Amino acid sequence: EPEVTQTPSHQVTQMGQEVILRCVPISNHLYFYWYRQILGQKVEFLVSFYNNEISEKSEIFDDQFSVERPDGSNFTLKIRSTKLEDSAMYFCASSEIPPYQPQHFGDGTRLSIL
Amino acid sequence: AQKVTQAQTEISVVEKEDVTLDCVYETRDTTYYLFWYKQPPSGELVFLIRRNSFDEQNEISGRYSWNFQKSTSSFNFTITASQVVDSAVYFCALSEGMDSSYKLIFGSGTRLLVRP
Repeated sequence: EPEVTQTPSHQVTQMGQEVILRCVPISNHLYFYWYRQILGQKVEFLVSFYNNEISEKSEIFDDQFSVERPDGSNFTLKIRSTKLEDSAMYFCASSEIPPYQPQHFGDGTRLSIL
Repeated sequence: AQKVTQAQTEISVVEKEDVTLDCVYETRDTTYYLFWYKQPPSGELVFLIRRNSFDEQNEISGRYSWNFQKSTSSFNFTITASQVVDSAVYFCALSEGMDSSYKLIFGSGTRLLVRP
């Protein structure tokens, strides 16, 4: 069964550094999402992406964050200057036709900021 | 405003017991969708079920069953004859029909521990 793939599984970065989290959504899916989960807390929406543009972003998704779909397959989340509070698990999700089809999640990237 | 509440933060049961996980939602939309996801200790999020607001039929899938009641804004999840492998955090989530991004709004999750 096709799945969403995220790399790396764990990223350790010094505070202030830029980090790029990568995702390969399921190939025929059209809607893409990033969520984050701070340890022990609920999953929070960051941004949605459709038709090569952001369709919605949350308050968390400030100017330090950006997303790109640079080729036909990858979907990336960039954090320009990381802060300690960016430490979390970041999940990529994709869906063919939400909400009729569910969002399928990748295994997540654990981001640790030192 | 939209909101999902999972009042049970943690439940512990002995294997073979039945367990019900509660989910209460708030939305102003008349069209909305409800989901349950499972997060095992390995951390991934696994889709379990989707329900739309026009379909109040309860559903059973093996040992899992879901009870959707619009009158009480609840979408509860029951595991029958629980097994150790059911130990996980379970999230209820809401997606609103008027939301063009169809983002998921998650509850805070219920951690289920099934003891042998």
